[in-house]
Amino acid sequence: DQQVKQNSPSLSVQEGRISILNCDYTNSMFDYFLWYKKYPAEGPTFLISISSIKDKNEDGRFTVFLNKSAKHLSLHIVPSQPGDSAVYFCAASDTNAGGTSYGKLTFGQGTILTVHP
Amino acid sequence: DVKVTQSSRYLVKRTGEKVFLECVQDMDHENMFWYRQDPGLGLRLIYFSYDVKMKEKGDIPEGYSVSREKKERFSLILESASTNQTSMYLCASSWGVGAYEQYFGPGTRLTVT
Repeated sequence: DQQVKQNSPSLSVQEGRISILNCDYTNSMFDYFLWYKKYPAEGPTFLISISSIKDKNEDGRFTVFLNKSAKHLSLHIVPSQPGDSAVYFCAASDTNAGGTSYGKLTFGQGTILTVHP
Repeated sequence: DVKVTQSSRYLVKRTGEKVFLECVQDMDHENMFWYRQDPGLGLRLIYFSYDVKMKEKGDIPEGYSVSREKKERFSLILESASTNQTSMYLCASSWGVGAYEQYFGPGTRLTVT
């Protein structure tokens, strides 16, 4: 049972335009969300996160939006650059799980973003 | 900068072989994780460890075991490799309780023939 889903396997965008990557989750206990970027032959690197007490978090060209009622989050990249071409994973955690949860993350399937010059 | 290193970038093994994947982090992190990444399935957690000699099963532990004898090192063991364990294996670490940002190594592409 996939608790975090990225339903778009790929997205193609023109340089300078907005990229919007989407993520849905089913576990209502998730309260902390992260986005990771992964280039080929490298490990994922952390991009941006958001707590469920917020509905938006911005860092430069990257903004994450959280809609708790819809159990949906999105990552906006504006303006998109060719160097943003990578696989993007969203991940979620239940920070109140306690016990041995120890920062466990549940990842989505990933979306391949291609930004064309 | 946090550095997580993995012993091999590419590995080819035969069915039935015992396989060791090693991961080392240099930032004194408490938590360490092993994932596998497969197309269409994303990253799936195999095992994690929150302290030396402590381990917990993740979502797909079958066919794997782990060892953490020192804080900086976390090993993934495939006792008898099978072709369905052909995958990209990623190691990650994080600070400890309440830390959710994980730092990843470059991955090991394992092929079992």
